Amino acid sequence: GAGVSQTPSNKVTEKGKYVELRCDPISGHTALYWYRQSLGQGPEFLIYFQGTGAADDSGLPNDRFFAVRPEGSVSTLKIQRTERGDSAVYLCASSRYGGNTEAFFGQGTRLTVV
Amino acid sequence: SQQGEEDPQALSIQEGENATMNCSYKTSINNLQWYRQNSGRGLVHLILIRSNEREKHSGRLRVTLDTSKKSSSLLITASRAADTASYFCATDEGRNSGGYQKVTFGTGTKLQVIP
Repeated sequence: GAGVSQTPSNKVTEKGKYVELRCDPISGHTALYWYRQSLGQGPEFLIYFQGTGAADDSGLPNDRFFAVRPEGSVSTLKIQRTERGDSAVYLCASSRYGGNTEAFFGQGTRLTVV
Repeated sequence: SQQGEEDPQALSIQEGENATMNCSYKTSINNLQWYRQNSGRGLVHLILIRSNEREKHSGRLRVTLDTSKKSSSLLITASRAADTASYFCATDEGRNSGGYQKVTFGTGTKLQVIP
């Protein structure tokens, strides 16, 4: 596609439920990033994929968060037993080579846990 | 974790004036980037400056980098109402044990340009 696509754009879920957030990166981009952004804050790093493997998952807040990228393209961020504090906008970005090079962001998924 | 910190947190100027925002970071870097975020959600890349560069221009944007002070500034000249947005710097934090660099963002400067 022309840009990074994230679905759904909005997700409301009940506390304790499981959610999956999807990211379709730009075709051919080897690097994929997940960030979380709360109101008035900068994007907070969660995880970085280079190809199919997680190059750095040090930003995942706890073991309720998990992300996969099985074929080196689409990625899914999975959150188990959601908590109200998980409410935020989840941003995905991709770049051609990784490192600190130009990244292209999707419009994000706004997750609200009620 | 957030590596960078922007200053000021908020800035309000008249159209036509210049806007300057600063970013300070903690560890040595390879590159520093500036991004813009409108009130929607996506971030848009503005400019990248490498650690061996001191200044870079792109249209009305001028970025400087002082690695000795671990700081960068973004200058927007002749601002327009359409420049109203939040601006973030992004830095890499060096390599982890696998040789990969993660990119982290600062806290942002919220710029308002009044027509």
